[in-house]
Amino acid sequence: KQEVTQIPAALSVPEGENLVLNCSFTDSAIYNLQWFRQDPGKGLTSLLLIQSSQREQTSGRLNASLDKSSGRSTLYIAASQPGDSATYLCSGSARQLTFGSGTQLTVLP
Amino acid sequence: NAGVMQNPRHLVRRRGQEARLRCSPMKGHSHVYWYRQLPEEGLKFMVYLQKENIIDESGMPKERFSAEFPKEGPSILRIQQVVRGDSAAYFCASSPGDLQPQHFGDGTRLSIL
Repeated sequence: KQEVTQIPAALSVPEGENLVLNCSFTDSAIYNLQWFRQDPGKGLTSLLLIQSSQREQTSGRLNASLDKSSGRSTLYIAASQPGDSATYLCSGSARQLTFGSGTQLTVLP
Repeated sequence: NAGVMQNPRHLVRRRGQEARLRCSPMKGHSHVYWYRQLPEEGLKFMVYLQKENIIDESGMPKERFSAEFPKEGPSILRIQQVVRGDSAAYFCASSPGDLQPQHFGDGTRLSIL
């Protein structure tokens, strides 16, 4: 059974800092690894998806890496902005998505 | 290009009543997934459906919960005889095929009085 763990649970940084969110998973037989953003009272917005054969994906200020052998993924956010404040979720998927509990990020202006 | 549409956004029910949550997938998507987010907990998979078929219901509680995705119309998650512990946000996602990226709706927030 897949288990996904995210650390830290919460993070508060001043605007402009670069930061890293961590995700670990127990079952390396994932089809892909996906990072989402969830704003309060809203659904999930997909940020980056890394196929199991890939090592990383980039979109703007976001970069996600995947190391299946160690069961880890990281989400790197460059030059953080207050608008980045949200809960970030990672999920490993075979057919269904298994989510971590998320990292609640606050970027202070 | 409408995304995944869920309604209602908020639903209030008294204990013992029935709750019906609806989900219209994105255009061209024939696979639907339901997830539940309990207060202070992460998202948990409930059920995966294709048109007229339940593919995986391993996350569904054994009693009172059912789901369908008919040939015509939205997918329905039905909770009978609701209890306080059913209070949660219920999210629907859809994908164009198996193992394809899932797109999420904004959820239905169910409150049980």
